[in-house]
Amino acid sequence: DVKVTQSSRYLVKRTGEKVFLECVQDMDHENMFWYRQDPGLGLRLIYFSYDVKMKEKGDIPEGYSVSREKKERFSLILESASTNQTSMYLCASSTRTGNTEAFFGQGTRLTVV
Amino acid sequence: GDSVTQMEGPVTLSEEAFLTINCTYTATGYPSLFWYVQYPGEGLQLLLKATKADDKGSNKGFEATYRKETTSFHLEKGSVQVSDSAVYFCALSDPYNQGGKLIFGQGTELSVKP
Repeated sequence: DVKVTQSSRYLVKRTGEKVFLECVQDMDHENMFWYRQDPGLGLRLIYFSYDVKMKEKGDIPEGYSVSREKKERFSLILESASTNQTSMYLCASSTRTGNTEAFFGQGTRLTVV
Repeated sequence: GDSVTQMEGPVTLSEEAFLTINCTYTATGYPSLFWYVQYPGEGLQLLLKATKADDKGSNKGFEATYRKETTSFHLEKGSVQVSDSAVYFCALSDPYNQGGKLIFGQGTELSVKP
Protein backbone atom coordinates (compact mmCIF):
# COMPACT_ATOMS: atom_id res chain seq x y z
CA ASP A 1 0.00 0.00 0.00
CA VAL A 2 3.07 2.23 -0.22
CA LYS A 3 2.36 5.40 -2.21
CA VAL A 4 5.30 7.77 -1.69
CA THR A 5 8.69 6.34 -0.84
CA GLN A 6 11.73 8.29 0.27
CA SER A 7 15.02 6.53 -0.18
CA SER A 8 16.33 6.95 3.38
CA ARG A 9 14.82 7.56 6.81
CA TYR A 10 18.10 8.79 8.31
CA LEU A 11 21.20 10.24 6.69
CA VAL A 12 24.41 11.67 8.12
CA LYS A 13 26.60 13.67 5.75
CA ARG A 14 29.68 15.83 6.06
CA THR A 15 29.82 19.54 5.35
CA GLY A 16 30.56 20.18 1.68
CA GLU A 17 29.28 16.83 0.43
CA LYS A 18 26.82 16.63 -2.44
CA VAL A 19 23.68 14.94 -1.15
CA PHE A 20 20.89 13.30 -3.10
CA LEU A 21 17.45 12.66 -1.59
CA GLU A 22 15.22 10.48 -3.73
CA CYS A 23 11.45 10.26 -3.80
CA VAL A 24 9.26 7.88 -5.81
CA GLN A 25 5.47 7.84 -6.08
CA ASP A 26 3.29 5.13 -7.60
CA MET A 27 0.05 7.07 -8.12
CA ASP A 28 0.84 8.66 -11.50
CA HIS A 29 0.60 12.13 -9.91
CA GLU A 30 1.62 15.17 -11.90
CA ASN A 31 2.67 17.32 -8.92
CA MET A 32 5.54 16.53 -6.61
CA PHE A 33 6.96 18.61 -3.76
CA TRP A 34 9.95 18.83 -1.47
CA TYR A 35 9.52 20.45 1.94
CA ARG A 36 11.71 20.83 4.95
CA GLN A 37 10.22 20.66 8.42
CA ASP A 38 11.81 22.48 11.33
CA PRO A 39 10.39 23.02 14.83
CA GLY A 40 8.38 26.23 15.01
CA LEU A 41 8.66 26.86 11.27
CA GLY A 42 6.23 24.27 9.95
CA LEU A 43 6.63 22.93 6.43
CA ARG A 44 8.50 25.20 4.07
CA LEU A 45 8.38 24.51 0.36
CA ILE A 46 11.78 24.07 -1.27
CA TYR A 47 10.79 23.11 -4.81
CA PHE A 48 7.67 22.08 -6.66
CA SER A 49 7.37 20.15 -9.93
CA TYR A 50 4.15 20.03 -11.93
CA ASP A 51 5.40 17.83 -14.77
CA VAL A 52 8.45 15.95 -16.00
CA LYS A 53 11.43 18.32 -16.32
CA MET A 54 9.30 21.21 -14.99
CA LYS A 55 10.06 22.86 -11.67
CA GLU A 56 9.29 25.95 -9.67
CA LYS A 57 11.16 27.45 -6.77
CA GLY A 58 9.40 27.44 -3.47
CA ASP A 59 10.04 29.67 -0.50
CA ILE A 60 13.56 28.47 0.38
CA PRO A 61 15.34 27.15 -2.75
CA GLU A 62 18.79 28.51 -1.91
CA GLY A 63 21.36 25.75 -1.62
CA TYR A 64 19.10 23.18 -3.26
CA SER A 65 18.33 21.94 -6.74
CA VAL A 66 15.93 19.30 -8.06
CA SER A 67 15.61 16.84 -10.90
CA ARG A 68 12.53 15.24 -12.41
CA GLU A 69 13.48 13.09 -15.37
CA LYS A 70 10.60 10.64 -14.92
CA LYS A 71 7.08 11.29 -13.73
CA GLU A 72 7.34 9.04 -10.70
CA ARG A 73 10.68 10.27 -9.37
CA PHE A 74 11.64 13.64 -7.87
CA SER A 75 15.14 14.15 -6.52
CA LEU A 76 16.36 16.85 -4.16
CA ILE A 77 20.03 17.75 -4.40
CA LEU A 78 22.07 19.61 -1.82
CA GLU A 79 24.94 20.90 -3.93
CA SER A 80 27.29 21.44 -0.97
CA ALA A 81 25.75 20.40 2.31
CA SER A 82 25.96 22.80 5.23
CA THR A 83 25.07 22.39 8.89
CA ASN A 84 22.08 24.71 8.52
CA GLN A 85 20.56 22.16 6.16
CA THR A 86 20.20 19.69 9.01
CA SER A 87 16.47 19.06 9.01
CA MET A 88 13.60 16.70 8.25
CA TYR A 89 12.86 16.56 4.52
CA LEU A 90 9.42 15.54 3.31
CA CYS A 91 8.38 14.59 -0.20
CA ALA A 92 4.77 14.69 -1.36
CA SER A 93 2.73 14.18 -4.51
CA SER A 94 -0.71 15.22 -5.70
CA THR A 95 -2.87 15.41 -8.80
CA ARG A 96 -2.47 18.37 -11.18
CA THR A 97 -5.54 20.19 -9.87
CA GLY A 98 -4.23 20.10 -6.33
CA ASN A 99 -7.68 19.93 -4.81
CA THR A 100 -7.38 16.32 -3.78
CA GLU A 101 -5.33 14.67 -1.08
CA ALA A 102 -1.55 15.01 -1.21
CA PHE A 103 0.37 11.94 -0.12
CA PHE A 104 3.53 12.21 1.91
CA GLY A 105 6.55 10.05 2.36
CA GLN A 106 7.81 9.15 5.82
CA GLY A 107 10.52 11.79 5.67
CA THR A 108 14.31 11.79 5.68
CA ARG A 109 16.07 13.05 8.78
CA LEU A 110 19.30 14.58 7.45
CA THR A 111 22.13 15.54 9.77
CA VAL A 112 25.06 17.48 8.35
CA VAL A 113 28.17 17.37 10.53
CA GLY B 1 1.95 35.18 -2.80
CA ASP B 2 -0.51 32.88 -1.13
CA SER B 3 0.04 32.15 2.55
CA VAL B 4 -1.46 30.39 5.58
CA THR B 5 -1.30 31.53 9.20
CA GLN B 6 -2.16 29.27 12.16
CA MET B 7 -2.46 29.96 15.83
CA GLU B 8 0.72 29.21 17.69
CA GLY B 9 1.11 26.21 19.89
CA PRO B 10 1.60 24.16 21.80
CA VAL B 11 -2.00 23.75 22.86
CA THR B 12 -2.61 21.62 25.95
CA LEU B 13 -6.11 20.38 26.76
CA SER B 14 -7.73 17.91 29.10
CA GLU B 15 -9.56 14.95 27.66
CA GLU B 16 -13.13 15.77 26.52
CA ALA B 17 -12.36 19.48 26.20
CA PHE B 18 -13.43 21.52 23.17
CA LEU B 19 -10.74 22.23 20.59
CA THR B 20 -10.36 25.15 18.23
CA ILE B 21 -7.26 25.75 16.13
CA ASN B 22 -7.45 28.96 14.14
CA CYS B 23 -6.32 29.17 10.54
CA THR B 24 -6.51 32.13 8.18
CA TYR B 25 -5.27 32.37 4.63
CA THR B 26 -4.31 34.85 1.96
CA ALA B 27 -4.95 33.91 -1.65
CA THR B 28 -5.62 35.79 -4.86
CA GLY B 29 -7.64 32.98 -6.42
CA TYR B 30 -10.09 30.36 -5.17
CA PRO B 31 -8.06 27.83 -3.23
CA SER B 32 -8.96 24.49 -1.77
CA LEU B 33 -8.28 24.28 1.96
CA PHE B 34 -6.98 21.35 3.96
CA TRP B 35 -6.14 20.19 7.45
CA TYR B 36 -3.32 17.63 7.72
CA VAL B 37 -2.30 15.79 10.88
CA GLN B 38 1.08 14.39 11.87
CA TYR B 39 1.07 11.86 14.70
CA PRO B 40 4.34 11.33 16.59
CA GLY B 41 6.91 9.55 14.45
CA GLU B 42 4.66 9.43 11.40
CA GLY B 43 4.24 11.30 8.13
CA LEU B 44 1.49 13.79 7.33
CA GLN B 45 -1.96 12.54 6.44
CA LEU B 46 -5.06 14.35 5.29
CA LEU B 47 -7.60 14.98 8.04
CA LEU B 48 -10.24 16.91 6.09
CA LYS B 49 -10.68 19.31 3.21
CA ALA B 50 -13.06 21.85 1.63
CA THR B 51 -12.88 22.93 -1.97
CA LYS B 52 -15.22 25.93 -2.12
CA ALA B 53 -16.73 28.64 0.05
CA ASP B 54 -19.18 27.48 2.75
CA ASP B 55 -18.14 23.83 2.36
CA LYS B 56 -17.66 21.97 5.63
CA GLY B 57 -15.05 19.25 5.83
CA SER B 58 -15.36 16.63 8.55
CA ASN B 59 -13.58 13.48 9.68
CA LYS B 60 -13.04 11.61 12.98
CA GLY B 61 -15.13 14.17 14.86
CA PHE B 62 -13.11 17.11 13.53
CA GLU B 63 -14.71 19.72 11.32
CA ALA B 64 -13.82 22.97 9.59
CA THR B 65 -15.86 25.38 7.46
CA TYR B 66 -14.45 27.32 4.51
CA ARG B 67 -15.30 30.98 5.25
CA LYS B 68 -14.44 33.18 2.30
CA GLU B 69 -15.68 36.37 3.95
CA THR B 70 -13.24 35.99 6.84
CA THR B 71 -10.61 33.98 4.85
CA SER B 72 -10.63 31.38 7.61
CA PHE B 73 -10.73 27.59 7.99
CA HIS B 74 -10.71 26.96 11.74
CA LEU B 75 -10.45 23.38 12.99
CA GLU B 76 -12.85 22.27 15.74
CA LYS B 77 -13.61 19.16 17.74
CA GLY B 78 -16.22 18.91 20.45
CA SER B 79 -14.45 16.43 22.72
CA VAL B 80 -10.77 15.63 22.28
CA GLN B 81 -9.11 12.37 23.24
CA VAL B 82 -5.56 11.55 24.26
CA SER B 83 -5.15 9.88 20.87
CA ASP B 84 -5.69 13.26 19.16
CA SER B 85 -2.31 14.46 20.40
CA ALA B 86 -0.45 15.41 17.23
CA VAL B 87 0.69 18.34 15.13
CA TYR B 88 -2.03 19.87 12.95
CA PHE B 89 -1.25 21.75 9.74
CA CYS B 90 -3.58 24.00 7.78
CA ALA B 91 -2.83 24.19 4.04
CA LEU B 92 -4.11 25.60 0.80
CA SER B 93 -3.80 24.75 -2.87
CA ASP B 94 -4.86 27.02 -5.70
CA PRO B 95 -4.75 25.14 -9.00
CA TYR B 96 -5.84 28.13 -11.06
CA ASN B 97 -3.36 30.58 -9.62
CA GLN B 98 -0.46 28.50 -8.36
CA GLY B 99 -0.71 25.33 -10.41
CA GLY B 100 -1.64 23.15 -7.48
CA LYS B 101 1.22 24.28 -5.24
CA LEU B 102 0.48 23.15 -1.67
CA ILE B 103 1.26 25.79 0.95
CA PHE B 104 1.28 25.06 4.69
CA GLY B 105 0.95 27.01 7.89
CA GLN B 106 3.50 26.61 10.63
CA GLY B 107 1.64 23.82 12.43
CA THR B 108 0.01 23.66 15.86
CA GLU B 109 1.05 21.04 18.34
CA LEU B 110 -1.81 19.62 20.40
CA SER B 111 -1.27 17.72 23.61
CA VAL B 112 -4.27 16.09 25.29
CA LYS B 113 -3.89 15.01 28.93
CA PRO B 114 -6.00 12.26 30.55
